[in-house]
Amino acid sequence: GAVVSQHPSWVICKSGTSVKIECRSLDFQATTMFWYRQFPKQSLMLMATSNEGSKATYEQGVEKDKFLINHASLTLSTLTVTSAHPEDSSFYICSAPWRGGTEAFFGQGTRLTVV
Amino acid sequence: AQSVTQLDSQVPVFEEAPVELRCNYSSSVSVYLFWYVQYPNQGLQLLLKYLSGSTLVKGINGFEAEFNKSQTSFHLRKPSVHISDTAEYFCAVSEMNSGYSTLTFGKGTMLLVSP
Repeated sequence: GAVVSQHPSWVICKSGTSVKIECRSLDFQATTMFWYRQFPKQSLMLMATSNEGSKATYEQGVEKDKFLINHASLTLSTLTVTSAHPEDSSFYICSAPWRGGTEAFFGQGTRLTVV
Repeated sequence: AQSVTQLDSQVPVFEEAPVELRCNYSSSVSVYLFWYVQYPNQGLQLLLKYLSGSTLVKGINGFEAEFNKSQTSFHLRKPSVHISDTAEYFCAVSEMNSGYSTLTFGKGTMLLVSP
């Protein structure tokens, strides 16, 4: 089946630095990818929709200047957390729809800890 | 707008006992329904989905779910659980005409299987 690979699986960074998370569709093309954020013991909240070749669409309340999304190719979307702060510490998960949108495959997630 | 309610945040059960994880949804349009499982610090894995047809859906690892339109429910069941089933389970819905662009998750139910 289709595979979505997310890297890194975990990262620790200092407050004020930036962190880039990659999401790749390994055996299919994804013109759209989704980025979710999950706080401890809570559900996944959609942050933004990444569109290949165009600007990402952000959900209400998500700072687009802080969470930069780039979808430069049909198999790669990146999320960059800029000037990270401890409150940005969370689990970030990407997903890509497949088969006309009736399925979605999720990356392994990235545990970000800002110290 | 759509919403998903998972009433039980945690369900403790003994090994080999049956289990039911409850999911109710609300939507003004027809929906697709999904159950995902998440193991610690990992992404989401699709257990099963309902798109159309038979209301009883069988998934991986011996799980099944039944779509009940009149009760707007999609409860997940397994007749005999294993220790390895211990994980977080998420119910999710998406609007039928928009696929994964409107995927909404419940808050999750932690299934705790003890010997």
